[in-house]
Amino acid sequence: DAEITQSPRHKITETGRQVTLACHQTWNHNNMFWYRQDLGHGLRLIHYSYGVQDTNKGEVSDGYSVSRSNTEDLPLTLESAASSQTSVYFCASSESILGTGAGYTFGSGTRLTVV
Amino acid sequence: QQQVKQSPQSLIVQKGGISIINCAYENTAFDYFPWYQQFPGKGPALLIAIRPDVSEKKEGRFTISFNKSAKQFSLHIMDSQPGDSATYFCAAPILTGGGNKLTFGTGTQLKVEL
Repeated sequence: DAEITQSPRHKITETGRQVTLACHQTWNHNNMFWYRQDLGHGLRLIHYSYGVQDTNKGEVSDGYSVSRSNTEDLPLTLESAASSQTSVYFCASSESILGTGAGYTFGSGTRLTVV
Repeated sequence: QQQVKQSPQSLIVQKGGISIINCAYENTAFDYFPWYQQFPGKGPALLIAIRPDVSEKKEGRFTISFNKSAKQFSLHIMDSQPGDSATYFCAAPILTGGGNKLTFGTGTQLKVEL
């Protein structure tokens, strides 16, 4: 069965370190997204991609970067981790045209703690 | 600025009661309004969605009502059950630089009590 997987599930890192969160999907979806979830803020978009070599900034992109070298993967990198980046991170994917299919498929999330 | 406003932030309903969650939105790229359900420790999952050539869509105990002129839509959960206890997010394809992405509301934590 097709799936979207995130790793690691939990991560503790120190302030200033570079951290990469992995997202891998086997749905063959062109669209991939990274959100962070914080109490009171819901899901906020960090970066997104509509296909290989395409990346775009979302509403809270400062301090984060992504790259899309193939259809399956969209890794999220925190260049220099800060305590404000302590959060739960969700990756999602969708079919090419939103609204015509099953919507977004989310991974199970990565809980990141920056100490 | 909050482009998708969701209320209430939390909701407690008795078993068998009706749960109602509301969302208001600003300009959208097109008409597609999904609701997502999230259980603790899990990612959100699509619950029900509407493309408003109709004003209402029903799937089992879950109904979306849509008011295009008011730019509002709501989720009704009939005969609420303890297993419905979860966080619910509304979403809309807000018109900001591309239509294939969703902007989410801030979420509603629903607790259904026995």
